[in-house]
Amino acid sequence: ETGVTQSPTHLIKTRGQQVTLRCSSQSGHNTVSWYQQALGQGPQFIFQYYREEENGRGNFPPRFSGLQFPNYSSELNVNALELDDSALYLCASSIGGEQFFGPGTRLTVL
Amino acid sequence: GENVEQHPSTLSVQEGDSAVIKCTYSDSASNYFPWYKQELGKRPQLIIDIRSNVGEKKDQRIAVTLNKTAKHFSLHITETQPEDSAVYFCAASNTGNQFYFGTGTSLTVIP
Repeated sequence: ETGVTQSPTHLIKTRGQQVTLRCSSQSGHNTVSWYQQALGQGPQFIFQYYREEENGRGNFPPRFSGLQFPNYSSELNVNALELDDSALYLCASSIGGEQFFGPGTRLTVL
Repeated sequence: GENVEQHPSTLSVQEGDSAVIKCTYSDSASNYFPWYKQELGKRPQLIIDIRSNVGEKKDQRIAVTLNKTAKHFSLHITETQPEDSAVYFCAASNTGNQFYFGTGTSLTVIP
């Protein structure tokens, strides 16, 4: 077990709502990345946080935002949900480059 | 930005045979290339990785090769077993800040 945890496991929202997903990093890991994985696709990089600062961002609109806390836990916030936001959201914590993924949150937008 | 392509999308092999999955990348600045195995409903698990200063790396039945000039890297699994059946993803990263994943290869090992 890698030690990276995510909550909730599953979530159902309606279009236009807002959602917050949470990630607890593996002990000692100061970097966390968030990914969106649509069904049958590879993970798509959303953004990365290092020591509470955004450290890189993929091609996602500003309604995807994040936070990293002093204990290195993290949140992904998505505003104005769209149907295409339905996916598995993965966080991965790392130190020195190698990433360890959490189990993911399955978000369904109706 | 980086673009990672992965082939084939599906692969079926007989137990005991070898499996090869290939990826290409576009950004010559990429210097870290991990491979992940994802079983149905589970998280991606790192199985092997290679850095740009190395041409080949092996770990028991799994090996990865990297050709920096051609910008491609490959995963080789020998003596495949049914438990190797899963989706495999390659990825490329520059400095570890951003990881770009391939679209995945669904490997089925037939007993």
